[in-house]
Amino acid sequence: GQQVMQIPQYQHVQEGEDFTTYCNSSTTLSNIQWYKQRPGGHPVFLIQLVKSGEVKKQKRLTFQFGEAKKNSSLHITATQTTDVGTYFCAGSQGGSEKLVFGKGTKLTVNP
Amino acid sequence: EPEVTQTPSHQVTQMGQEVILRCVPISNHLYFYWYRQILGQKVEFLVSFYNNEISEKSEIFDDQFSVERPDGSNFTLKIRSTKLEDSAMYFCASKLAIFPGELFFGEGSRLTVL
Repeated sequence: GQQVMQIPQYQHVQEGEDFTTYCNSSTTLSNIQWYKQRPGGHPVFLIQLVKSGEVKKQKRLTFQFGEAKKNSSLHITATQTTDVGTYFCAGSQGGSEKLVFGKGTKLTVNP
Repeated sequence: EPEVTQTPSHQVTQMGQEVILRCVPISNHLYFYWYRQILGQKVEFLVSFYNNEISEKSEIFDDQFSVERPDGSNFTLKIRSTKLEDSAMYFCASKLAIFPGELFFGEGSRLTVL
């Protein structure tokens, strides 16, 4: 079945450093979404990417969708303590309602 | 801001007991979901529900699970005979339309099976 791999599992950074998490799917995706989950919280939608090679920015966050629509990345520039949490990618295939989540990257930021 | 609400926030039950988790999706949303997250692990799809019927379900969603939308607002997940491995956080989610696909998650219901 469809699998979504995400690396790294953990990332510790000093405040102000950059952070990147990578996501790879075993199958071609129709779209990929990114969610953030704060400790003890629920997933909160960040963005959806649909087009091959798409790049979207939200302030310090940059999201990319690979040309083959099988990989994606999230890059945070100059991390802040408010960026702490687990970042999940989640992909779906055409015609399916199911979002398959990666295992997430847990980001800690030292002030 | 509209939100998905879930009750109870935490339920402790004995193995073999029936459990019903309740959700009130955002009022104008049409697509409803249950996901679960075992502690410290990834979020896993259980079932999707549209137009008063299941549209898709995962292999986790076996005969012990059922979903219902008994009225215009509630969306429930029933586990008939709980097992230890059902212990997890269960998230209800909803969305307005097929596209865009933004899912709105509730705060979750933590189920502990003893």
